[in-house]
Amino acid sequence: DQQVKQNSPSLSVQEGRISILNCDYTNSMFDYFLWYKKYPAEGPTFLISISSIKDKNEDGRFTVFLNKSAKHLSLHIVPSQPGDSAVYFCAAISGTYKYIFGTGTRLKVLA
Amino acid sequence: NAGVTQTPKFRVLKTGQSMTLLCAQDMNHEYMYWYRQDPGMGLRLIHYSVGEGTTAKGEVPDGYNVSRLKKQNFLLGLESAAPSQTSVYFCASSPRISSYEQYFGPGTRLTVT
Repeated sequence: DQQVKQNSPSLSVQEGRISILNCDYTNSMFDYFLWYKKYPAEGPTFLISISSIKDKNEDGRFTVFLNKSAKHLSLHIVPSQPGDSAVYFCAAISGTYKYIFGTGTRLKVLA
Repeated sequence: NAGVTQTPKFRVLKTGQSMTLLCAQDMNHEYMYWYRQDPGMGLRLIHYSVGEGTTAKGEVPDGYNVSRLKKQNFLLGLESAAPSQTSVYFCASSPRISSYEQYFGPGTRLTVT
């Protein structure tokens, strides 16, 4: 049973445009969400996070939105750059330090 | 400051062989984790540790054992490797404070034939 789902395995976006990556979850007990970015042959690196008591968090070009009623979060990247091409994972935790990761979305930013 | 390092980077094992993967962190983090990544499955938690001398099971612990004898090291052992354990293994650490951010190592690619 996949508690955290990323239904789009891949996404292509033109450089300078907005990239929107989506993530759905089923467990309403999750209280913190994170996005990680992963380049080939490297470990994931932390990108941005959001607490369940908020609905938006911004950090430069990256914004995460949380819709608790829909159990949905999204990552917006504006403007997209070729260096953003990577696999993006969303993750959720429920206070026990057990992180549940989605299956990832491969973003390709076209120059 | 090397962050999180993993040894080895690559390994090929025959079915039934044993091995230990070493994870080391120099950030004085309390929490450490072992994940495996398989195609189409994302990262799945194998075991984790909330402090020196403590370990706990994650989502997929069967066939693995762990030890945290020193705060900076977290070892993952495979006693009798099986082809189903072919995967990329990632170690991560995080501080005790509630940042929730994890720092990952570069991964170990393990193939069991």
